Amino acid sequence: KNQVEQSPQSLIILEGKNCTLQCNYTVSPFSNLRWYKQDTGRGPVSLTIMTFSENTKSNGRYTATLDADTKQSSLHITASQLSDSASYICVVIHHNTDKLIFGTGTRLQVFP
Amino acid sequence: EPEVTQTPSHQVTQMGQEVILRCVPISNHLYFYWYRQILGQKVEFLVSFYNNEISEKSEIFDDQFSVERPDGSNFTLKIRSTKLEDSAMYFCASSAGVGSYNEQFFGPGTRLTVL
Repeated sequence: KNQVEQSPQSLIILEGKNCTLQCNYTVSPFSNLRWYKQDTGRGPVSLTIMTFSENTKSNGRYTATLDADTKQSSLHITASQLSDSASYICVVIHHNTDKLIFGTGTRLQVFP
Repeated sequence: EPEVTQTPSHQVTQMGQEVILRCVPISNHLYFYWYRQILGQKVEFLVSFYNNEISEKSEIFDDQFSVERPDGSNFTLKIRSTKLEDSAMYFCASSAGVGSYNEQFFGPGTRLTVL
């Protein structure tokens, strides 16, 4: 079954600290993996897109990694800011159907 | 920067009533989508729409749901007779092309509450 699982479910960190969010997937075959940021009450906004041949992709303080062999991805946030408080969703695109398969998300709270 | 917009931001309705959720996709996009997210759960695909017809729909998208593009700019989702379990955030998305490398841009969502 094509699934995307994320951990932790929620995370609290202090402003300025780093954190890493995890994503495991069973989607096969997959074409690309995306990390989205979803502010409360808003739609998801794309942070990074990686194809199966890419190992890492950065977008400012966000760095995503991908291990297609183990079907794992991570999103590392450096020097967190209060505005990073949001849900972070891992989305895997199925190669044959082009469907977006969403994870449940990690809810990050950054406190001063 | 162009964005997808949705109205209303919040809709409260009585069970059994019809609701219409509205979306204005990004102007040069050709592919349109509706997703829903029940509180605390994953975002789920409902339907995709291209060239004035449904290209794909999920099991959730039963006969109570319909979509249309009435005037070339708006893209609407209608729920004919709402049920309590239809309470969710509904997101509209649009993309310029189809295929796994075409990014879908999401709107801010409409929170539907069915009482």
